[in-house]
Amino acid sequence: NAGVTQTPKFQVLKTGQSMTLQCAQDMNHEYMSWYRQDPGMGLRLIHYSVGAGITDQGEVPNGYNVSRSTTEDFPLRLLSAAPSQTSVYFCASRSTGFNTEAFFGQGTRLTVV
Amino acid sequence: GNSVTQMEGPVTLSEEAFLTINCTYTATGYPSLFWYVQYPGEGLQLLLKATKADDKGSNKGFEATYRKETTSFHLEKGSVQVSDSAVYFCALLYGGSQGNLIFGKGTKLSVKP
Repeated sequence: NAGVTQTPKFQVLKTGQSMTLQCAQDMNHEYMSWYRQDPGMGLRLIHYSVGAGITDQGEVPNGYNVSRSTTEDFPLRLLSAAPSQTSVYFCASRSTGFNTEAFFGQGTRLTVV
Repeated sequence: GNSVTQMEGPVTLSEEAFLTINCTYTATGYPSLFWYVQYPGEGLQLLLKATKADDKGSNKGFEATYRKETTSFHLEKGSVQVSDSAVYFCALLYGGSQGNLIFGKGTKLSVKP
């Protein structure tokens, strides 16, 4: 099993550009989520999904869109990149049983100039 | 609301020293508690967890006990190794089986030989 796969690993964008961060998991997990990690801030939840066709906002959703058309994939879209979105982004998945372990991708380091 | 507070880092120790990383939480109900570890350049991975009061989670020599009376989940290891150098995150899971993880800000540990 590959687990949670994120692409790309690194990306540089210009302000105003759009892009999609890809996330795929092969564990048939219902729950998937996106976090951003910033120095001194820990991980903050952007968006999450409890199953195909169902998404919801987390703590810091502004400037990001998500969709969940399949169980495996949960892409994160930046509509118009801003320097404040420079961060490391992590995708995570877990099954929706109680107290289950979350599995994380290796992250995407995004720089917006 | 729900939140996690953990001690500020960085923490620098010599090999074989005793480690404590403090973590306290605020939550409604009875959350599950986790410690995740992030090695350089990687995503987070589960270190240990506890799902109810007085439970002790343990793994790789690390331990943490779920203390409801003090709302704490401190991480301890009796003798650290250079390979334990990483960032450690305390987290709580709220909202049941479809709930979200809330993370502390992380504590960077460096172990010197």
